[in-house]
Amino acid sequence: GDSVTQMEGPVTLSEEAFLTINCTYTATGYPSLFWYVQYPGEGLQLLLKATKADDKGSNKGFEATYRKETTSFHLEKGSVQVSDSAVYFCALSDGQAGTALIFGKGTTLSVSS
Amino acid sequence: NAGVTQTPKFQVLKTGQSMTLQCAQDMNHEYMSWYRQDPGMGLRLIHYSVGAGITDQGEVPNGYNVSRSTTEDFPLRLLSAAPSQTSVYFCASRSTGGSGYGYTFGSGTRLTVV
Repeated sequence: GDSVTQMEGPVTLSEEAFLTINCTYTATGYPSLFWYVQYPGEGLQLLLKATKADDKGSNKGFEATYRKETTSFHLEKGSVQVSDSAVYFCALSDGQAGTALIFGKGTTLSVSS
Repeated sequence: NAGVTQTPKFQVLKTGQSMTLQCAQDMNHEYMSWYRQDPGMGLRLIHYSVGAGITDQGEVPNGYNVSRSTTEDFPLRLLSAAPSQTSVYFCASRSTGGSGYGYTFGSGTRLTVV
C-alpha cells in the first residue's frame, strides 16, 4: 500500500541555518503531497502542498518540490528561526479521490538562538 | 469561523468504560477523518467518511465505531476502552474536489486510559 518515509529526528539547528527534511513516498497513481506542521500542544496546520510532478509548494519561507522520478518531496528552508521549532509531517493523499491522508512518522525540529 | 471543533480536550477513562469523542465542522466539508497520534508512529487513520451516511475503516479501526448522520458531525466512539487506546486523537475535514485540497485539523483530544 501507499506509504511515506521521512527522516528520523530530532533535527537540531542554530538560528539562520539551512534546513532540509527528507521525505520519500510509495504510491500507486499520482497522489498529492503535503507538509503539515505541529507546534507544541496544538493540532496540525497545512504548511504547503503540491498536486503534480514538478510542482513547487511554498509558504513562510519553506518550500518543497514534487519529484516523481525520485518519489520525493523534501522540505527546505534557507534560514530557520526559533519560532520554526515544531514537528513536521510529510503526507500524501490516498488515490485520486484523496479520501484520507497517509502520514510519515514526523520529524522534530529544534532551533536554538 | 470555528473550523473543526473537538471535545473534550482531555479525558481520563478507566479500562472498560465507553465514551464518545465529538467532532464538528462548520465549513460544509464532505470528507472527515479520525486519526490517532502516538509517539514515533506519526498519525494513523482510524475511520473516515466521504459524506453523511457513508463511513469506512482506516488503518487501525479495531475498538472504535463511527457514524455520520449529518455533514457537520463525525463522532468517534470507544466501545470498551483499553490502555492501548491511550493517545491523542485528531479529527480532520476537507471539501470535495481533487485530492490536492488540504485537510483542516481540530486541536485534538488527549485520552488516557488507566
